[in-house]
Amino acid sequence: AQSVTQLDSQVPVFEEAPVELRCNYSSSVSVYLFWYVQYPNQGLQLLLKYLSGSTLVKGINGFEAEFNKSQTSFHLRKPSVHISDTAEYFCAVSEVSRDYKLSFGAGTTVTVRA
Amino acid sequence: EAGVTQFPSHSVIEKGQTVTLRCDPISGHDNLYWYRRVMGKEIKFLLHFVKESKQDESGMPNNRFLAERTGGTYSTLKVQPAELEDSGVYFCASSQRLAGTETQYFGPGTRLLVL
Repeated sequence: AQSVTQLDSQVPVFEEAPVELRCNYSSSVSVYLFWYVQYPNQGLQLLLKYLSGSTLVKGINGFEAEFNKSQTSFHLRKPSVHISDTAEYFCAVSEVSRDYKLSFGAGTTVTVRA
Repeated sequence: EAGVTQFPSHSVIEKGQTVTLRCDPISGHDNLYWYRRVMGKEIKFLLHFVKESKQDESGMPNNRFLAERTGGTYSTLKVQPAELEDSGVYFCASSQRLAGTETQYFGPGTRLLVL
């Protein structure tokens, strides 16, 4: 079975500063990797995904993530955040060619301040 | 294209009562998943339908939870009788498997509070 660790539960950041959210996973097989975002009072929205190919994945709203197989990581980055990026971010994995159910990390709350 | 919809958005019930949550997946998506997040914890898988069949219900907490997907379209998740620990946000997701890959699209969730 796979597991996901998000190393930071809370990340405060100033507007226009960069942000990095860390995600590590463990699995005995190949995985697909996802980042979802939940804005206040909304549902989960897909930010980006890694299925195969280039290890640098670009998503919506200027976010990107890099898959590092040797370090079993999938960290999320944005070079310059906005107030509107205040949200909770979830890293998730599913096992390739198995049941595809997602295992989630505990979530990282990003608070952007002016 | 309409996304995944869930009803109700919020539900407040008393312990011992019954609640039924509904999920309408994206049209044409064969796969439908239910997840739950109880307060302060991770989002956890509950079960997975492929069309009208339960593919995996290993995450269902106990027999007070009953999920159905009649006709392979919308799904319902019934909790009977509800207990305090059932409070949380229930998410539904749907997907279509293409070339061995899959991306799940989530609904807005139903926030359930059991008093």
